Order: sequence, then C-alpha cells, then structure tokens
Amino acid sequence: AQKVTQAQTEISVVEKEDVTLDCVYETRDTTYYLFWYKQPPSGELVFLIRRNSFDEQNEISGRYSWNFQKSTSSFNFTITASQVVDSAVYFCALSEAPGSQGNLIFGKGTKLSVKP
Amino acid sequence: DAGITQSPRHKVTETGTPVTLRCHQTENHRYMYWYRQDPGHGLRLIHYSYGVKDTDKGEVSDGYSVSRSKTEDFLLTLESATSSQTSVYFCAISALGTDLSNQPQHFGDGTRLSIL
Repeated sequence: AQKVTQAQTEISVVEKEDVTLDCVYETRDTTYYLFWYKQPPSGELVFLIRRNSFDEQNEISGRYSWNFQKSTSSFNFTITASQVVDSAVYFCALSEAPGSQGNLIFGKGTKLSVKP
Repeated sequence: DAGITQSPRHKVTETGTPVTLRCHQTENHRYMYWYRQDPGHGLRLIHYSYGVKDTDKGEVSDGYSVSRSKTEDFLLTLESATSSQTSVYFCAISALGTDLSNQPQHFGDGTRLSIL
C-alpha cells in the first residue's frame, strides 16, 4: 500500500534559519511521482514541485531545495534563510503510475512557523 | 492560476440535510478530484472523475456521491449530512497525460462546510 509519512507535525524556527522538512514514502511501484504543496494561512494549496521516480537529481529553486533519495525512500524539502512568509503547512504527496488516475496520497503535513 | 472555482466557499447546515458542493473548471481538463482536509489527516481523496459520467471512489467515499455531466463541472453531494462530514473540501483538476510526465494537480480554494 502507498503511504506518505511526515513525522514532523510542527516546526518553529527564527527567521534566517535553515529548515528541513522530512518526507518518507512507501510504494511498491517502480514508477511514481512525488510532490510538495504549500498551504499558507489563507488556506489555498500551492504546488511547489513534482519529481518522478526516475529522476534522482536534486533540485534547487531560489531558497528552496529538494533532496530525493530512493535508497531511503525520502524526499526532503529544505528552506534556506527562512522568512516569515514561509510560514505555512507543507504537504508531501505521492502519486503512482499514470494508470492510477493521478490520485494523490498525502502526508499529514508539517506546520512551519517562522518567527521574526 | 488554474481556473477552478468552488461554490459555495462556506456553508453551515444541519445534520440530515442534503448538501451539494460544486467545482467548476475552465481548463478543459479530463481529470477532477474531490478531497477533504481534516486536522491530523492531511488531505484524503473522496471521489474522482476521469471523464464525463466516468467517476470512481477514493479512500473515504462513504456518505458521498458525485456527478459529472459536463467536462467543466464536478458535483459532490452529501445525501444526508452528518457531523463527521464537517471539513474543508477541496476540488482539484489535472491534465493527466499518457507519458511519464504526470501533470500536477491544481486545487481550488476550498469549501468550509460545518454540519451542526
């Protein structure tokens, strides 16, 4: 069965600190996709990144970076030099091969609070 | 922003009453999804649709039905609302393709439903 675990329920940091959000997944498929979504206090869900299982290259986008390691089934998200605007709930999600109809399995989310 | 509109945005109703939530998209995407978000559970799939009149159940489908008579509209109905269905409901759309590149789902702004 597919499963996504975000063990950190809440994290609190001070502005400019680096913070890593952990995501561990379980799947039997060899083809799958991993996602991160951000949910700010206003409530909408914002897509951040998609990564497929054949691409283990890490990705950097500004202050955001993602570390995908198939050996440990992890897809961790790091925010460098955090800012107050990064305060949000972050969700990691898994989707199996296209035959799965694209359904997303979400983790329970990590609430990040960045204090000034 | 993806053209997804959920209505109503907020609703308060009583136990036992029928409730219908609407999701409207302007992207002409084939796939549409309904999720519910509850504290401590993340987002969980209720039902999804892969075309007009083509729908299937998700993880938490009991007590819910859906209909899709047009590409642009996906309706979620609670036939007889219960207090356990108090939640935030999100609609999502996806231009799921046939290659290995799984399109990310884009979400509506959510409907906050309270059942008293």
